[in-house]
Amino acid sequence: DQQVKQNSPSLSVQEGRISILNCDYTNSMFDYFLWYKKYPAEGPTFLISISSIKDKNEDGRFTVFLNKSAKHLSLHIVPSQPGDSAVYFCAAKIYAGNNRKLIWGLGTSLAVNP
Amino acid sequence: DGGITQSPKYLFRKEGQNVTLSCEQNLNHDAMYWYRQDPGQGLRLIYYSQIVNDFQKGDIAEGYSVSREKKESFPLTVTSAHKNPTAFYLCASKGTSGQETQYFGPGTRLLVL
Repeated sequence: DQQVKQNSPSLSVQEGRISILNCDYTNSMFDYFLWYKKYPAEGPTFLISISSIKDKNEDGRFTVFLNKSAKHLSLHIVPSQPGDSAVYFCAAKIYAGNNRKLIWGLGTSLAVNP
Repeated sequence: DGGITQSPKYLFRKEGQNVTLSCEQNLNHDAMYWYRQDPGQGLRLIYYSQIVNDFQKGDIAEGYSVSREKKESFPLTVTSAHKNPTAFYLCASKGTSGQETQYFGPGTRLLVL
């Protein structure tokens, strides 16, 4: 049962336009969300995060929006650049007993076309 | 430079053989993690360790073993009992309590001969 869902396996965007990557979750106990970017055959790199007490966090071209009532978050990239072409993973933090773990989505592959 | 290193980049395993994947970090992070990624899949947690000499099973621990004898090192052994070990393995670490960001190494691709 996928608790963190990225329903679009792929997305194609023109350079300079906005990229919007979506993530839905089912568990209301998630209290922190992260976005990672991954190139093939490399480890994921952290992009941006948001606490469940906020609804927006911005860092340069990247903005994450959180809608708790809809259990939905999105990552906006403006303007999109060809170097942004990668797989983007959404992850959510939850407590498992005394430990914290991340639950990962399956990823969305973004292609930014010149 | 601070970071996480994984070696080797590619690893080949023969039938009936145990293999060990290395993960080292010099970030002074307490927590370390091992994930497995298969094509078209997200990251699945194999084992994690919050502190030296302690570790817990993740979601897919069967056929794997770990140790955490030093803060800097968290090696993963893929045992001969694992039926489908071919995958991309990622090691990550995380700092002190209150920080949630995990930082990843470059990964090791394991192939079965």
